[in-house]
Amino acid sequence: AQSVTQLGSHVSVSEGALVLLRCNYSSSVPPYLFWYVQYPNQGLQLLLKYTSAATLVKGINGFEAEFKKSETSFHLTKPSAHMSDAAEYFCAVTGSGAGSYQLTFGKGTKLSVIP
Amino acid sequence: GAGVSQSPSNKVTEKGKDVELRCDPISGHTALYWYRQSLGQGLEFLIYFQGNSAPDKSGLPSDRFSAERTGGSVSTLTIQRTQQEDSAVYLCASSSDSRYNSPLHFGNGTRLTVT
Repeated sequence: AQSVTQLGSHVSVSEGALVLLRCNYSSSVPPYLFWYVQYPNQGLQLLLKYTSAATLVKGINGFEAEFKKSETSFHLTKPSAHMSDAAEYFCAVTGSGAGSYQLTFGKGTKLSVIP
Repeated sequence: GAGVSQSPSNKVTEKGKDVELRCDPISGHTALYWYRQSLGQGLEFLIYFQGNSAPDKSGLPSDRFSAERTGGSVSTLTIQRTQQEDSAVYLCASSSDSRYNSPLHFGNGTRLTVT
């Protein structure tokens, strides 16, 4: 079974500041991890995914995330926030075994960017 | 190309009525998922279809909920005798195959309000 914890339901940063959104997971098998972003009144779209090829994963819009097995974490970062980054971000995990098609999502973190 | 299309985008219904929500996945995508998104609760898995295999209905919250996928394409989620706690955004997603690391492509959702 897998689970995801996103620390902080709401994060505010100033424009140009570092963005750090936290995600911790638990998984009984080697995990595959994802970050999705949801803009208002839209569905979710994939930001990036970790599939064991490299621990530092780069995604769209300047975001990246680092898989740290020892900390069971997959935090999302961006060096400099832009107003257009304001959205809700979801971390998700799935296992690597047969039938592991079901993504388990965290509860989401809403990012606000202050001008 | 066309993304995942959901209709209606908004639905207001009276308690006790039945509702049908429709999802048109991306053409050629064999895997289709329904998720429910409630405020502050993240995404809850409802049901999964893959090709001609029997669907995984393990996430359906009660027997009032059912879903079909006709011809391996369009899917309909039906909620009978709606209750106020059914109010949520219902998201459909599709992916090109059932591998655990295949990204999901989400529709914009149907916002259901039960009065």
